[in-house]
Amino acid sequence: KAGVTQTPRYLIKTRGQQVTLSCSPISGHRSVSWYQQTPGQGLQFLFEYFSETQRNKGNFPGRFSGRQFSNSRSEMNVSTLELGDSALYLCASSPLGVTSTDTQYFGPGTRLTVL
Amino acid sequence: QKEVEQNSGPLSVPEGAIASLNCTYSDRGSQSFFWYRQYSGKSPELIMSIYSNGDKEDGRFTAQLNKASQYVSLLIRDSQPSDSATYLCAVNSNTGGFKTIFGAGTRLFVKA
Repeated sequence: KAGVTQTPRYLIKTRGQQVTLSCSPISGHRSVSWYQQTPGQGLQFLFEYFSETQRNKGNFPGRFSGRQFSNSRSEMNVSTLELGDSALYLCASSPLGVTSTDTQYFGPGTRLTVL
Repeated sequence: QKEVEQNSGPLSVPEGAIASLNCTYSDRGSQSFFWYRQYSGKSPELIMSIYSNGDKEDGRFTAQLNKASQYVSLLIRDSQPSDSATYLCAVNSNTGGFKTIFGAGTRLFVKA
């Protein structure tokens, strides 16, 4: 099976812009979770989507949003970018999600730099 | 108190030694526990999952879970330089909605 894929792998934006990141889960996986990873804060949970519905959400401002399509692919959007949004954004997929004993498998990540 | 706590390290061990990584968690209702390894510049990869009290072994890796003490550990036997990485403890929590909470990670250096 192909693994989790994320596009783009690298992105440079300026403050105030918005950005959309994409994640394609492992075939058959219905849950997609998004995480932000920074050196100072570690891996922070953003949100989880399951069957096109946001099921769980972390403590991030409303500038961070996402959606999931019927084929389980997911997008994450960040509006009005701030310097502090520079991070590695990781997507993880699992068959049923964190409400079970599922294991999450991570994609390679998108490295976002905000100038 | 952080929800998942790990010693940030770095933990340095000689090649061939046993590396012991520890993790404590605050949500007593947590049922699923995971150890991930993350090399610099790469994404986390799963090493072990454990759901029941006791030990679970997979090759050179042994995960230990003690729910009464809210403690999870990972032992790496016969440590190799290729084991040098950051090890992340992750816990599925039901507080405020189901989510996976990661510890800050422990950096491990295995000296040849």
